[in-house]
Amino acid sequence: QVQLVESGGGVVQPGRSLRLSCAASGFTFSSHGMHWVRQAPGKGLEWVAVIWYDGRNTYYADSVKGRFTISRDNSKNTLSLQMNSLRAEDTGVYYCVRDTYQTPMDYWGQGTLVTVSS
Amino acid sequence: SYELTQPPSVSVSPGQTARITCSGDALPNKYAYWSQQKSGQAPVLVIYEDTNRPSGIPERFSGSSSGTMATLTISGAQVEDEADYYCYSTDSSDNHRWVFGGGTKLTVL
Repeated sequence: QVQLVESGGGVVQPGRSLRLSCAASGFTFSSHGMHWVRQAPGKGLEWVAVIWYDGRNTYYADSVKGRFTISRDNSKNTLSLQMNSLRAEDTGVYYCVRDTYQTPMDYWGQGTLVTVSS
Repeated sequence: SYELTQPPSVSVSPGQTARITCSGDALPNKYAYWSQQKSGQAPVLVIYEDTNRPSGIPERFSGSSSGTMATLTISGAQVEDEADYYCYSTDSSDNHRWVFGGGTKLTVL
């Protein structure tokens, strides 16, 4: 079965960096685009970034563009999100999400919590 | 920036039909998708490409779209359907970027 397991969350000071990872299993990782979606405490979902199946193309929400970088290692079935210059408003649960052509965002991980606070 | 608008809350009694709307100017030309998020859990896709239901999703869930509005309908809502529901679609000017609606809290009691 499809499994997506995020890691790397924690408490970080404003302006610092953090790297999230997502371990994928149960499907052919290299055939699927992958997203990061976040959710601030008590708030709705916010799309963050997407990377194509082969890693050649990436797209970002305006709120993170220039600060966050999405990447993948298809040899290790791993998705990453490098987050720099973190702000308090980046606080939330970050979900790793699979993309499929007809059913985008069809499988979600359980999320990892990032707290940006001094 | 592009927005999808949902009502903050919808309330029905068990067995009644719940309808949750999602409004967006680009929806006549783009698909709407719906996810269900129960308390403390990750979201689950319940409707894709306006009207299609993934395998494993109960038949009481259906979707429709007309003009600038997409609608998620739960026919004969059950207590276990109580959750937050989010519509999402691609950005009006960029097919590679995605936008979520603000979410609708469905209460079934």
